[in-house]
Amino acid sequence: EVQLVESGGGLVQPGGSLRLSCAASRFTFSNYSMNWVRQTPGKGLEWVSYISSNTITTHSADSVKGRFTISRDNAKNSLYLQMNTLRAEDTAVYYCARGRGERDSDQNFYYYMDVWGKGTTVTVSS
Amino acid sequence: SYELTQPPSMSVSPGQTASIPCSGDNLGNKYVCWYQEKPGQSPVLVIYQDVKRPSGIPERFSGSNSGNTATLTITGTQAMDEADYYCQAWDSATVVFGGGTKLTVL
Repeated sequence: EVQLVESGGGLVQPGGSLRLSCAASRFTFSNYSMNWVRQTPGKGLEWVSYISSNTITTHSADSVKGRFTISRDNAKNSLYLQMNTLRAEDTAVYYCARGRGERDSDQNFYYYMDVWGKGTTVTVSS
Repeated sequence: SYELTQPPSMSVSPGQTASIPCSGDNLGNKYVCWYQEKPGQSPVLVIYQDVKRPSGIPERFSGSNSGNTATLTITGTQAMDEADYYCQAWDSATVVFGGGTKLTVL
């Protein structure tokens, strides 16, 4: 079964740093774009970052630009999220998710996330 | 930035039809997908490309998208369908989620 397993979460003080990892298995990792998505307590899903299959293209939400960096190592089937200058509002469960995006016959682009990990919890607090 | 709007909550009786709306400017010109999230579990994709169901998703789940509104429809709602539902689209190189709708089956 296709699997994504996140790790690296924990308790960190405001202003601190943390690096999340996501290990992929049972699919050809290098063929897929990947994402980090977070869910804050009692709130909805928030997309954090995207990286293309070949690592060339990355995008991030405005709320994390300049603080978070997404990366991947296709040789290790792994996705990463380097989080710096953490704030209380970054407290959340962080999911990695496999992306599927293509253009249809009319060149309209669609994108969705078809496989999700179980998440890792990040708590930013003093 | 692009926004998707969902009602925070809805309720439906078992066996009835639930229609969960997701609205956005000219949303019908974009592709929409839907996720189901139950307490303590990861999100599950239930509809993609407006109307397609992934393997393993029951036929009672369907989707539509036209004008400014996409809709997730659950026909013959079951107690197990009680969950949070999120719509999602892609806009200007970003993934956009709706705020989510808590569906209660009672």
